[in-house]
Amino acid sequence: AQSVTQLGSHVSVSEGALVLLRCNYSSSVPPYLFWYVQYPNQGLQLLLKYTSAATLVKGINGFEAEFKKSETSFHLTKPSAHMSDAAEYFCAVSSTSGTYKYIFGTGTRLKVLA
Amino acid sequence: NAGVTQTPKFQVLKTGQSMTLQCAQDMNHEYMSWYRQDPGMGLRLIHYSVGAGITDQGEVPNGYNVSRSTTEDFPLRLLSAAPSQTSVYFCASSFDGRTGNTIYFGEGSWLTVV
Repeated sequence: AQSVTQLGSHVSVSEGALVLLRCNYSSSVPPYLFWYVQYPNQGLQLLLKYTSAATLVKGINGFEAEFKKSETSFHLTKPSAHMSDAAEYFCAVSSTSGTYKYIFGTGTRLKVLA
Repeated sequence: NAGVTQTPKFQVLKTGQSMTLQCAQDMNHEYMSWYRQDPGMGLRLIHYSVGAGITDQGEVPNGYNVSRSTTEDFPLRLLSAAPSQTSVYFCASSFDGRTGNTIYFGEGSWLTVV
């Protein structure tokens, strides 16, 4: 069975500081991995996704994530936080074996301090 | 370019009432799904469909019913509403639910059961 674990339900960073949001996955087959962002009272939008082409994936708004098979991790980073990055972030996994399920983590709420 | 459209956006139900949350997509996606979002629990998969006439259960299917008579529509029925079903519901779709396709979300439906 697939699952994702997001470490830290709340993360606070200062404006201009590094953003690091952690995601570890569990999957019996090579996974596809996603990061989504949710702004208040809105649906989820795709930030980036890993589909086995390259381990370092660049997304929108300056975010990137690195797939590390040995650590079963897919952490999201951004070099310099902006106030507009304040939102909730979700890591998700889907299987390459065609089980048709996208499984989401519990989310990390990012707060950016002025 | 509507994408995934959910209605209603807000609904208040009394315990025991039934209702249907509507979801439609105009992207010719085969895969459609319903999630519920609750604080601290992330998004949990209720039901999903891989094509017209094909549905399957997700993580939390009890109390919900779905059908998929057309590619475009995937309604979610609450059979007898309970306070535990107070949540935000998201409909989502992707091209075929496999091969790392991006899953697209609707704007959400806020349901309160009193």
